[in-house]
Amino acid sequence: DIQMTQSPSSLSASVGDRVTITCRASQSISSYLNWYQQKPGKAPKLLIYAASSLQSGVPSRFSGSGSGTDFTLTISSLQPEDFATYYCQQSYSTPDTFGQGTRLEIK
Amino acid sequence: EVQLVESGGGLIQPGGSLRLSCAASGFTVSSNYMSWVRQAPGKGLEWVSVIYSGGSTYYADSVKGRFTISRDNSKNTLYLQMNSLRAEDTAVYYCAALYYYDSSDPRANDFDYWGQGTLVTVSS
Repeated sequence: DIQMTQSPSSLSASVGDRVTITCRASQSISSYLNWYQQKPGKAPKLLIYAASSLQSGVPSRFSGSGSGTDFTLTISSLQPEDFATYYCQQSYSTPDTFGQGTRLEIK
Repeated sequence: EVQLVESGGGLIQPGGSLRLSCAASGFTVSSNYMSWVRQAPGKGLEWVSVIYSGGSTYYADSVKGRFTISRDNSKNTLYLQMNSLRAEDTAVYYCAALYYYDSSDPRANDFDYWGQGTLVTVSS
């Protein structure tokens, strides 16, 4: 199975900050990498697919980059509604695997 | 509008069985790839199983031989039959629909639609 490792596991930031979350795959997954946002008690929501494509309806302050084994999710200017947990997920091979999550908290 | 509604969760003793349902509206379960993903309390997301439109199924090693994914096309509903339940199966179970953003590439997919989740608690 492909292991997905996110860093950091948690992050404190302020409204207006620029934030970057990293996801590393245990082997090359090309650009088959998706990012999700999850708020407490809710289902995950797709933000980015194919490493860098913004899902319809997602604000442009979210962006993704990377290919191969190293990927990043960047939020250019944090808004109050962005405080949540973020997960990466690879679709390169079955089983689909998720990173352990990055919890983004208000400083 | 696509909607997925799970049901069937609850408290069950170790070794027991439970069947989860995921009723879909706004799209056809049999024409799409459907998965179950679970989340243990306070933990991350874990993929559990998938059923492809052609009927092929795959399972995580942690549930293989104990869980069975299926669908009822007439009811447009996805199921997860869970047998020999263990404490470590305690989680919120989500059904999710895979979307292929490139229909020519079998790897080019993401979980576009999710249900609200149903809680399964395995405890004596």
